Amino acid sequence: GAGVSQSPRYKVAKRGQDVALRCDPISGHVSLFWYQQALGQGPEFLTNFQNEAQLDKSGLPSDRFFAERPEGSVSTLKIQRTQQEDSAVYLCASTLLAGGADNEQFFGPGTRLTVL
Amino acid sequence: DQQVKQNSPSLSVQEGRISILNCDYTNSMFDYFLWYKKYPAEGPTFLISISSIKDKNEDGRFTVFLNKSAKHLSLHIVPSQPGDSAVYFCAANCFGNEKLTFGTGTRLTIIP
Repeated sequence: GAGVSQSPRYKVAKRGQDVALRCDPISGHVSLFWYQQALGQGPEFLTNFQNEAQLDKSGLPSDRFFAERPEGSVSTLKIQRTQQEDSAVYLCASTLLAGGADNEQFFGPGTRLTVL
Repeated sequence: DQQVKQNSPSLSVQEGRISILNCDYTNSMFDYFLWYKKYPAEGPTFLISISSIKDKNEDGRFTVFLNKSAKHLSLHIVPSQPGDSAVYFCAANCFGNEKLTFGTGTRLTIIP
């Protein structure tokens, strides 16, 4: 069956460019998460959604980062005026249910963003 | 401030032997712990988890042990197989909060 998909898989941006990263969660999954994984580090939480509602955006590094999930399905992570420190793999995950710490998060393959 | 720590960046184990991966945490509010496995160019996949009310959980070749007083958990893989070669992440979260806090990962290499 279809898992979580992300596009593009690779993105190279010049410093100062805006980028948009897309996540298609597993169909019917209620919760969606974005994580940032810098080289040699573990994934770090950015933000999450329950349906279309953004619950927690405490992990977004700056106001240049913006995420949305307008219809409770596909989500987009937008980064404005990209900086070199934004270079990382951006992972999206989804869970079938919401609210439980033991809900399994299914991860997509990630988008590798390189800012030159 | 790294709340979940994996102090061994890499580990090599002979095929058929036991692999032991370690993880320490500092946040006493964590009450659910998970191990994820990651192959290159793929997202992490869930492996096994344990609730803080337990000290052991077993699933086939994989066993996770939790020592709450020491704030330490470990993943045992036995017997180790070549397909187990991957990066393993320890993760944790708090009751009522789904967001995961990950360690930095341990690269496990199984030597045939």
